[in-house]
Amino acid sequence: KAGVTQTPRYLIKTRGQQVTLSCSPISGHRSVSWYQQTPGQGLQFLFEYFSETQRNKGNFPGRFSGRQFSNSRSEMNVSTLELGDSALYLCASSFLVFNTGELFFGEGSRLTVL
Amino acid sequence: ELKVEQNPLFLSMQEGKNYTIYCNYSTTSDRLYWYRQDPGKSLESLFVLLSNGAVKQEGRLMASLDTKARLSTLHITAAVHDLSATYFCAVGPKKGSQGNLIFGKGTKLSVKP
Repeated sequence: KAGVTQTPRYLIKTRGQQVTLSCSPISGHRSVSWYQQTPGQGLQFLFEYFSETQRNKGNFPGRFSGRQFSNSRSEMNVSTLELGDSALYLCASSFLVFNTGELFFGEGSRLTVL
Repeated sequence: ELKVEQNPLFLSMQEGKNYTIYCNYSTTSDRLYWYRQDPGKSLESLFVLLSNGAVKQEGRLMASLDTKARLSTLHITAAVHDLSATYFCAVGPKKGSQGNLIFGKGTKLSVKP
């Protein structure tokens, strides 16, 4: 079956702009999480959505926001971009099975802020 | 606050040798994961460890979990070049939501002939 799909895969923005990234989870998965990966900070949790509700949020400024739609697809938005927002943004989906909690990651969206 | 430490961060091995990557975490958790990441690629799930004493093996990789010691190991047996990648362990906070994982910094493994 199809995996987690993220779009766009690559994008370049300038400081002050905003960006929206999209994630389509594996069919049947209702939980979507977002992570930021940078060489300096590694992989950091941004937020998690389930049934259109944000369940948990990481330690990121309010410029980072997200939402989930009724079909479980999710978007994240970063406003007023800063150079430090350059990163690989990874989306992960899970089925919320009681005994595994396994996350399946997409290929990521690589954002470069100039 | 849950912290996850991996060591070593860099590992250069010769083909055919064995080695172990260590993952320590600071507070109680009920789930631990190992992922592999190739350059420019996403994270591939390797193992999910959910109970004390859990041991899982896939090919040349074996992972174990000791929840009392808050330690997981990823053992590599008779390394081959195809295992070159960055390996991450990730821990789920006890009271965190399912999608909230705390990752280690990763171990960059290079297997040389």
